[in-house]
Amino acid sequence: DIQMTQSPSSLSASVGDRVTITCRASQSISNYLNWYQQKPGKAPKLLIYAAATLQSGVPSRFSGSGSGTDFTLTISSLQPEDFATYYCQQSYSTPRLFTFGPGTKVDIK
Amino acid sequence: EVQLLESGGALEQPGGSLRLSCGASGFTFSRYAMSWVRQAPGKGLEWVSGISGSGGTTYYADSVKGRLTISRDNSKNTLYLQMSSLRAEDTAIYYCAKHRDGNRFDYWGQGTLVTVSS
Repeated sequence: DIQMTQSPSSLSASVGDRVTITCRASQSISNYLNWYQQKPGKAPKLLIYAAATLQSGVPSRFSGSGSGTDFTLTISSLQPEDFATYYCQQSYSTPRLFTFGPGTKVDIK
Repeated sequence: EVQLLESGGALEQPGGSLRLSCGASGFTFSRYAMSWVRQAPGKGLEWVSGISGSGGTTYYADSVKGRLTISRDNSKNTLYLQMSSLRAEDTAIYYCAKHRDGNRFDYWGQGTLVTVSS
């Protein structure tokens, strides 16, 4: 089975900071990598799919990159509403096992 | 507008059974695969099970194989998760999620809480 890791597990940042979160797959997943944002008490929200494509309605300060095993989510200028937990998810494996990473919590410094 | 509404969560004893439902609206339900994703209290997301649009193909995480059964009724626009032999570690919020191309999950329900405890 494909395992997903994320780093860091948490980070503290200020409004306006550039934030980068890394996700790594245990084997190549091409670009079948999605990013979700989850706020406390809410359902997850799709931010980026296919490693680098912004979901409709998501602000352009969010971007994704990577291919193969290493991926990054970048928030170019952190806004107050961005404090949340971010999860990567692979959607490559056959049979279909859509593994999530353990999450990265972004909180206020 | 796409809407997913889960129901059926409850407090159940270990070894018991529950059936969760997810009612869908705002899209052609039968055209899309669906999944259940759960989140234990204070923990991360865990994909549990998925089903093709026709219902002919199902897939499960190893942690639930043999105890949870996913199904759908396309005539009722409803997704189900039959849970049996419940364990304390099944305690979680259960979300249903709609698939899009590449198996990204583009819409999620608000979740339903399952608590397994004596």
